[in-house]
Amino acid sequence: DIQLTQSPSILSASVGDRVTITCRASQSLSGWLAWYQQKPGKAPKFLIYKASSLESGVPSRFSGRGSGTEFTLTISSLQPDDFATYYCQHYDSYSLTSGQHYNGFSLAFGQGTKVEFK
Amino acid sequence: EVQLVESGGGLIQPGRSLRLSCVASGFTFDNYDMHWVRQLPGRGLEWVSGINSNSRVKGYGDSVKGRFTISRDNAENSLYLQMNSLTTEDTALYYCTREAPRTGAFDLWGQGTLVTVSS
Repeated sequence: DIQLTQSPSILSASVGDRVTITCRASQSLSGWLAWYQQKPGKAPKFLIYKASSLESGVPSRFSGRGSGTEFTLTISSLQPDDFATYYCQHYDSYSLTSGQHYNGFSLAFGQGTKVEFK
Repeated sequence: EVQLVESGGGLIQPGRSLRLSCVASGFTFDNYDMHWVRQLPGRGLEWVSGINSNSRVKGYGDSVKGRFTISRDNAENSLYLQMNSLTTEDTALYYCTREAPRTGAFDLWGQGTLVTVSS
């Protein structure tokens, strides 16, 4: 099974800072990586899919990139609403091209990165 | 309104069973693969189980394999999770989620239903 490790676990930053969160995979991924934002007491919010595609309605200060085993989520200028916990997620055994599952389902989340006020 | 509403959580003793339900509205339910994701208290997210749109493909996380069963009723726009042999480690907030086609990601989440396993 693929393991996802996020770093750092906690990131202290100020409004206006550029912040980057890294998600490393235990083996090379097929470009399948998503990012979510979660605030206390709320369900996660979908931000980015296929490593770099921004979900509709997500501010352009959020961006994702990466390939192979290393992926990043960057917030170009941190806003007060961005203080939250961020998770990466990979979906194994799924063909992006055909939209078909093979070998059942297999899916993993990173352990999360909390972005807090410095 | 596009939404997912979970129910069925509660306080249950170890070893007992519980069935969670999720009702979808505002979209064509049988066009989507669906999943359960849980969050242990103060912890991160853990994928529990998934089912494709026609119920032919199912999958389970290692920690629940053999104890939990996912199912759906497209006529009722409903997703279910039958949880057997519950342990204290299953205590979590359980989210019903919708998989966005061809993204491998979850674009819609319910508010969650809390399952507490305790004697």
